[in-house]
Amino acid sequence: EVQLVESGGGLVQPGRSLRLSCAASGFAFDDYAMHWVRQAPGKGLEWVSGISLNSGSIGYADSVKGRFTISRDNAKNSLYLHMNSLRPEDTAFYYCVKGLTSSPYNTDVLDVWGQGTTVTVSS
Amino acid sequence: YDLTQPPSVSVSPGQTARITCSGDALPKHYVHWYQQKAGQAPVLVMKKDTERPSGISERFSGSSSGTTATLDISGVQAEDEADYYCQSADSRSTYPWVFGGGTKLTVL
Repeated sequence: EVQLVESGGGLVQPGRSLRLSCAASGFAFDDYAMHWVRQAPGKGLEWVSGISLNSGSIGYADSVKGRFTISRDNAKNSLYLHMNSLRPEDTAFYYCVKGLTSSPYNTDVLDVWGQGTTVTVSS
Repeated sequence: YDLTQPPSVSVSPGQTARITCSGDALPKHYVHWYQQKAGQAPVLVMKKDTERPSGISERFSGSSSGTTATLDISGVQAEDEADYYCQSADSRSTYPWVFGGGTKLTVL
């Protein structure tokens, strides 16, 4: 069974940093692209970032470009999201998502979702 | 680039619910659908317009024609009450991704 377990969320002050982690199991992690998708309270889904199977292709939403960095460690079956210069508008539930293809382009499909972790940016 | 969904759809149990998603680039790109029940993570219920993932009920079907994609749920049950989001690509680039605003399906 595919499992994605996020961790690292919490309450953080504006301008500070946070690192999210996602532990994957139940599938060949190094065969698939991985993504982070977020959902602000009461709002819809927003794709945040995606990374290809070998980290060779990476993409970001304009809203986080230059502040967030996605990475993966295939040896540890883990996905990460380093979030810097956090803003109140980054407050959201962050989901780790397995893609269906090897590339994180917008032609991929968000196949399996983790349960998410909450990030709250507030002073 | 936007994908437009109706904010809400209401049906009685046993009826067919139809949720639409409109966008100018849909003739060129697949649409995928996600179901999100209250307090839960989204689940992929339809991929590439018409393909139902393993484990998804046969009551779910998808179609696409021109600039509109449709998710149909036949024999609606109380358990189908959820938010449904469509997602597709943007012809202008490989990023970013585009989601519809979501449709709240209410089972009366």
